[in-house]
Amino acid sequence: DVKVTQSSRYLVKRTGEKVFLECVQDMDHENMFWYRQDPGLGLRLIYFSYDVKMKEKGDIPEGYSVSREKKERFSLILESASTNQTSMYLCASIAGGDLHQPQHFGDGTRLSIL
Amino acid sequence: GNSVTQMEGPVTLSEEAFLTINCTYTATGYPSLFWYVQYPGEGLQLLLKATKADDKGSNKGFEATYRKETTSFHLEKGSVQVSDSAVYFCALSDPNTGNQFYFGTGTSLTVIP
Repeated sequence: DVKVTQSSRYLVKRTGEKVFLECVQDMDHENMFWYRQDPGLGLRLIYFSYDVKMKEKGDIPEGYSVSREKKERFSLILESASTNQTSMYLCASIAGGDLHQPQHFGDGTRLSIL
Repeated sequence: GNSVTQMEGPVTLSEEAFLTINCTYTATGYPSLFWYVQYPGEGLQLLLKATKADDKGSNKGFEATYRKETTSFHLEKGSVQVSDSAVYFCALSDPNTGNQFYFGTGTSLTVIP
């Protein structure tokens, strides 16, 4: 079974802090994604990556950046956290090539910015 | 472009009732369709999928049929249980956009004994 692990289930940070959310997958997947989930808005794509050191903006990249130095790890960075970034963050991965496979998700990080 | 529209919740049903959650989609190509389930405090888990027209996906008593003519992928279950209480997401992946997924806004289901 694919395992996607997010480093924290719950995180509380202060406004202006630099925040790192980590995601690791164990299936050698090429593609990784970061979403945020908010009530009534579903999942919104922040950034994704097709390969090491590659990144693409999703629908809502403002205020975020990402890093993919190793294939198994995809980090989401809040450069200067703000209260409107309080949300549930979900990481997902999928193998490249087969376009009929599902994305596999971690358990999520619930982030509160005070 | 690609988009998914699913019925708004919340939905509340009594145990053993019949469930339908509607999902329609817009896609530029020939997408694969998925239903995911999210239990409280957890991430999304794949419930079922269908990769081409007229395919039926099924799992844990849930079913959904890929209807190209009506661009729909409605989720059904004949007899719901309290343990089915969760949020359900309809999603599509379009081969024209690589491995990007497009999700509906989710439908919250509560099943009462």
